[in-house]
Amino acid sequence: QVQLMQSGAEVKKPGASVRISCTASGYIFTSQYINWVRQAPGQGLEWMGIINPSGGSPTYQQKFEGRVTMTRDTSTTTVYMELSGLRSDDTAVYYCARGKRIDYWGQGTPVTVS
Amino acid sequence: DIQLTQSPSSLSASVGDRVTITCRASHDIKRYLAWFQQKPGEAPKSLIYDASSLQSGVPSRFSGSGSGTVFTLSISSLQPGDFATYYCQHYNHYPYSFGQGTKLEIK
Repeated sequence: QVQLMQSGAEVKKPGASVRISCTASGYIFTSQYINWVRQAPGQGLEWMGIINPSGGSPTYQQKFEGRVTMTRDTSTTTVYMELSGLRSDDTAVYYCARGKRIDYWGQGTPVTVS
Repeated sequence: DIQLTQSPSSLSASVGDRVTITCRASHDIKRYLAWFQQKPGEAPKSLIYDASSLQSGVPSRFSGSGSGTVFTLSISSLQPGDFATYYCQHYNHYPYSFGQGTKLEIK
């Protein structure tokens, strides 16, 4: 069965960076794009960007350009999202989600910036 | 960038009711629209893709329709587990985006 397993909760100070992992299983890793979506406390869903595990450059939402980096490791079927220059308003749950037509979601990784 | 506006923002209904949520896009997105359900403390769950196709395992009381700029999600005969927040999302071109959400509450 398809699973996206994310790394655990993080607490960071302002200005620091955070790297979250999303390990895929149950399907061919390179066959599906991976999105990153975040949700601030009590707020809606916000699309951050997308990466093709087969290769090529990720696409980021302009709001995050210069602060976000998405990478993948095909040997471990893992996608990473690193966000730098953290601010208090980056406090959110971060999700990875599979596919251009999203079908499966990771369990979410809470990130607290304080 | 494409903006998605959902209406209503919140909705009260009873078990057994039929409800409809609307998602309006600022530009033509053809049928590249998905719907998600999210319950408190949980990851979103995928319901519908390509405006009207049900994801595997989603009950048939959920249905989607529309194309271009106006889309709807309907739930016939609400069940207790359907009370949640619903989001639309387009994937016509980058950047993708979500609607602001519709909270469906028990009357």
